[in-house]
Amino acid sequence: KAGVTQTPRYLIKTRGQQVTLSCSPISGHRSVSWYQQTPGQGLQFLFEYFSETQRNKGNFPGRFSGRQFSNSRSEMNVSTLELGDSALYLCASARDSNFEAFFGQGTRLTVV
Amino acid sequence: ELKVEQNPLFLSMQEGKNYTIYCNYSTTSDRLYWYRQDPGKSLESLFVLLSNGAVKQEGRLMASLDTKARLSTLHITAAVHDLSATYFCAVEANQAGTALIFGKGTTLSVSS
Repeated sequence: KAGVTQTPRYLIKTRGQQVTLSCSPISGHRSVSWYQQTPGQGLQFLFEYFSETQRNKGNFPGRFSGRQFSNSRSEMNVSTLELGDSALYLCASARDSNFEAFFGQGTRLTVV
Repeated sequence: ELKVEQNPLFLSMQEGKNYTIYCNYSTTSDRLYWYRQDPGKSLESLFVLLSNGAVKQEGRLMASLDTKARLSTLHITAAVHDLSATYFCAVEANQAGTALIFGKGTTLSVSS
């Protein structure tokens, strides 16, 4: 059974640019959530999508957005990149609420 | 706002000895997760604790949950080098969706 797949694994972007990250969940999982991991702030919840609708949102600025497609694949977009956006971005999928979440390998974003 | 606190944040362990990591959370939740993260890697699910009094064991690790005290413990028995990693506990922020709030993590280092 394939796990959660995130692409790309590594990205280097310049301040002010925008970036799109992709996440393919485990087959049959309809919930996809995104997390940002930095040494200073740790693991922080960004948002969760379920059946193409944003169901939960963390405390991040509007530059961070996402969407989910009908096949449950999800994308996350960050506009007007700042140096502080450099982080490991993790995606997790779950069947639904109250089911275990499984994490992908992450996308390492570096903003220069 | 749900807060999750882990302690200690760093733990230098001697092989063969026993240790405990504590995870406190601030609001009611009946579901708590423990994850392991190796350097540069994603999160590996260790335990899902679903109810008060839940206890789960896998190898040298045992996790328990006391929902009344809002406390989970991860007990390590006879530490070995392979257990060196960072361990996170996480609690679901609300019942309608999958939004995990993580502790800061406990970095374990096992030496002989």
